[in-house]
Amino acid sequence: QLQLQESGPGLVKPSETLSLTCSVSGDSISTSSYYWGWIRQPPGKGLEWIGTIYSNGDTYYNPSLKSRVTISVDTSSNQFSLKVNSLSAADTAVYYCARSTGGWHGDGWSDYWGQGTLVTVSS
Amino acid sequence: EIVLTQSPGTLSLSPGERVTLSCRASQSVRSSYLAWYQQKPGQAPRVLIYGGSSRATGIPDRFSGSGSGTDFTLTISRLEPEDFAVYYCQQYFISPQTFGQGTKVEIK
Repeated sequence: QLQLQESGPGLVKPSETLSLTCSVSGDSISTSSYYWGWIRQPPGKGLEWIGTIYSNGDTYYNPSLKSRVTISVDTSSNQFSLKVNSLSAADTAVYYCARSTGGWHGDGWSDYWGQGTLVTVSS
Repeated sequence: EIVLTQSPGTLSLSPGERVTLSCRASQSVRSSYLAWYQQKPGQAPRVLIYGGSSRATGIPDRFSGSGSGTDFTLTISRLEPEDFAVYYCQQYFISPQTFGQGTKVEIK
């Protein structure tokens, strides 16, 4: 059974950089034909796609966040990571990692999700 | 980017009722690039429908998706107690993929 698990700090200060990792079990990122990515949800609000990465390292980002976001993959550890810099209160959200397929340019529907991790940006 | 508008914002219904949720796109979306998700409090979203009308693994057949162009619908033929939740549509036809703002189905 495929499982994804996010890890990282729950509290980050404004202007700093957020780093999250998603550990994958039950599928191999390096041989998978799926995209692996991040979606966030501010408290009480809707879903926002952040970006995805493919096993060959190709990355795709939401233009609204592209200047502040980096997604990378560590196939040896079967993990992928998210970095968001220049944080503000508007980045406070539950961050989900997910596996997706069905589209192109990194887009697709997500069939497996992590449980999500709440990140609060506050001094 | 494509904006998805879901209506209504909230539906108050009783178990056993038929539900029709609407998702309207700001520009045409190929129907095979439309998905629907269910989200319960404190949980990650769960995909119900992908490709416009294909049910995801394990999803009961009371859930169905339809539509084309700019108008899409999720239908629940008969509400079960576990179906009270928030529902989101998603398009992945044109990047960036986008989600609707959600429709909450609550118990009347």
